[in-house]
Amino acid sequence: EAGVTQSPTHLIKTRGQQATLRCSPISGHTSVYWYQQALGLGLQFLLWYDEGEERNRGNFPPRFSGRQFPNYSSELNVNALELEDSALYLCASSLGDSLAKKIQYFGAGTRLSVL
Amino acid sequence: AQKVTQAQTEISVVEKEDVTLDCVYETRDTTYYLFWYKQPPSGELVFLIRRNSFDEQNEISGRYSWNFQKSTSSFNFTITASQVVDSAVYFCALKDSNYQLIWGAGTKLIIKP
Repeated sequence: EAGVTQSPTHLIKTRGQQATLRCSPISGHTSVYWYQQALGLGLQFLLWYDEGEERNRGNFPPRFSGRQFPNYSSELNVNALELEDSALYLCASSLGDSLAKKIQYFGAGTRLSVL
Repeated sequence: AQKVTQAQTEISVVEKEDVTLDCVYETRDTTYYLFWYKQPPSGELVFLIRRNSFDEQNEISGRYSWNFQKSTSSFNFTITASQVVDSAVYFCALKDSNYQLIWGAGTKLIIKP
């Protein structure tokens, strides 16, 4: 069974540009989560989608946005890129998270570099 | 407020030594879940274990074991006879009624040959 897949693996952009990151969840999983892991920092929660709807977002500016498609895959968009957006962006998926016990399974991440 | 503390930023041991990674959590909920993840240099977070707040039984899986103590709000992780392949960053996390994972800062484990 395929795990969570993320594309691209690496992405290089310049300041002010837009970046689009993609995530395909494990088959059968309806929830998708996005995290930012900047160098030297821990995991910062960005967004949570379930059944196509945004359920929660972390403490990030509105230029971080996303969506979930009918097939449960997801996109993370970062507009007006800033140097400090350089980080590893991790996507995770789980079964519909109606209960706290659901396990999140992670992809390998997209490493975004903003020059 | 919920919080997870991993006080050990980095631990370095020689192969075959036992090592314990500490995790202390805070929550007001009586029902919650605790998790450990491993992040090798490749970057992907690998799920290791989930424990619910009502199950204080210790868990052993091969060389890995977990000690959950509600009285001290701790969920410590021990690797017995460590191997170089165990080198990674290990994260402890808490999920309660907010349904969001609250992450510790991670402990970088270095196993020297």
